[in-house]
Amino acid sequence: DAGVIQSPRHEVTEMGQEVTLRCKPISGHNSLFWYRQTMMRGLELLIYFNNNVPIDDSGMPEDRFSAKMPNASFSTLKIQPSEPRDSAVYFCASSFPNSPLHFGNGTRLTVT
Amino acid sequence: AQSVTQPDIHITVSEGASLELRCNYSYGATPYLFWYVQSPGQGLQLLLKYFSGDTLVQGIKGFEAEFKRSQSSFNLRKPSVHWSDAAEYFCAVGPKTSYDKVIFGPGTSLSVIP
Repeated sequence: DAGVIQSPRHEVTEMGQEVTLRCKPISGHNSLFWYRQTMMRGLELLIYFNNNVPIDDSGMPEDRFSAKMPNASFSTLKIQPSEPRDSAVYFCASSFPNSPLHFGNGTRLTVT
Repeated sequence: AQSVTQPDIHITVSEGASLELRCNYSYGATPYLFWYVQSPGQGLQLLLKYFSGDTLVQGIKGFEAEFKRSQSSFNLRKPSVHWSDAAEYFCAVGPKTSYDKVIFGPGTSLSVIP
């Protein structure tokens, strides 16, 4: 079990640039979650997919954020254009139905 | 409103001492309850969970937690702390129907003095 794999581990970019974060869920898991972690707001759920379909994106902060899951083994979270307030650690998590979440190691995003 | 409270932002204990991390929740029905641990630079790892049945649940790394319905609490305990237990601990609650509604507490940071 390779676990949830996220890339890159660290991303530093300038304000206004496009940022793409990637996630490979655990094989067989059919639910995928994107979270954002900051000191001020803690862990926030951004969007949730079930069977590759976005179910709830009410946590996506703005239209600058978008997420896709083109197949069961890959998801992306894109920020365009990025802003300094987007700096955070972004986590991807996956799970079986009615099972606990398994988290990746996160992507630390710094927007200057 | 549904919420999770972890009253202690930071706790420091000596290695070998016992540990209790507090968690209180506000929820409309009996939820699923979880404790996760996050080491620096890592993602969250599940320590233990409560779904139903015995209110004292055992987890990994020697941790246990007790669900007390009357107090809406789910406190995490360990009888003897090891230096490697230094990390951030998150309590979480969620409905029995969908994991997208899991709510995480703000976390308690644990430091261990050798």
